[in-house]
Amino acid sequence: QITLKESGPALVKPTQTLTLTCTFSGFSIKTSGVGVGWVRQPPGKALEWLALIYWNDDDRYKPSLKSRLTITADASKNQVVLNMANVDPVDTGTYYCAHIPDFWSGYYSVWGQGIMVTVSS
Amino acid sequence: EIVVTQSPGTLSLSPGERATLSCRASQSLSGDDLAWYQQKPGQAPRLLIYATSSRATGIPDRFSGSGSGTDFTLTISRLEPEDFAVYYCQQYASSPFGQGTRLEIK
Repeated sequence: QITLKESGPALVKPTQTLTLTCTFSGFSIKTSGVGVGWVRQPPGKALEWLALIYWNDDDRYKPSLKSRLTITADASKNQVVLNMANVDPVDTGTYYCAHIPDFWSGYYSVWGQGIMVTVSS
Repeated sequence: EIVVTQSPGTLSLSPGERATLSCRASQSLSGDDLAWYQQKPGQAPRLLIYATSSRATGIPDRFSGSGSGTDFTLTISRLEPEDFAVYYCQQYASSPFGQGTRLEIK
């Protein structure tokens, strides 16, 4: 059974760096084709894809946020970490990590429960 | 950047009716990588359909997906009370989601 869980701060001040950790079980990030992605959702708004990383360390970012995002994977810890620099109140929302079972098909099969992050001074 | 447009924004139907949701991409991609997700209030999204027409594990057969190129459709043949939710489409894992279609009880 695949599970993912997001962790990190609930409150971050503007201009700080937000660090979110996705801890997963039931799969290895080093299995060919597998990936983990991050998606966020501002309150009352739509889903927004942010970044993903594949088994071969290939990483992708939303173009408009690329300068602020860094995604890394630690296979030994079964974790994927997302760093978002210079946060702003518009970055407030629920952040989800999700499992990509197949690079060639490209969909999110299992999602974490999400973590609500508020950016405020 | 690809833009994904879902229509309608809100769909008001009654249980037992048929729902047809549309997803259109600004450019065509090779392959059939479109996925549909369902999200209920306070919950994480759930995968319904992948590869345009394949149902995810445990998804009832009243849900079906179709389409190709830039135009895709999610059909719910007979609405059940638990189907009223927001539905999102996404072409592949590193592309934008659509803005969602809210399916509400009429």
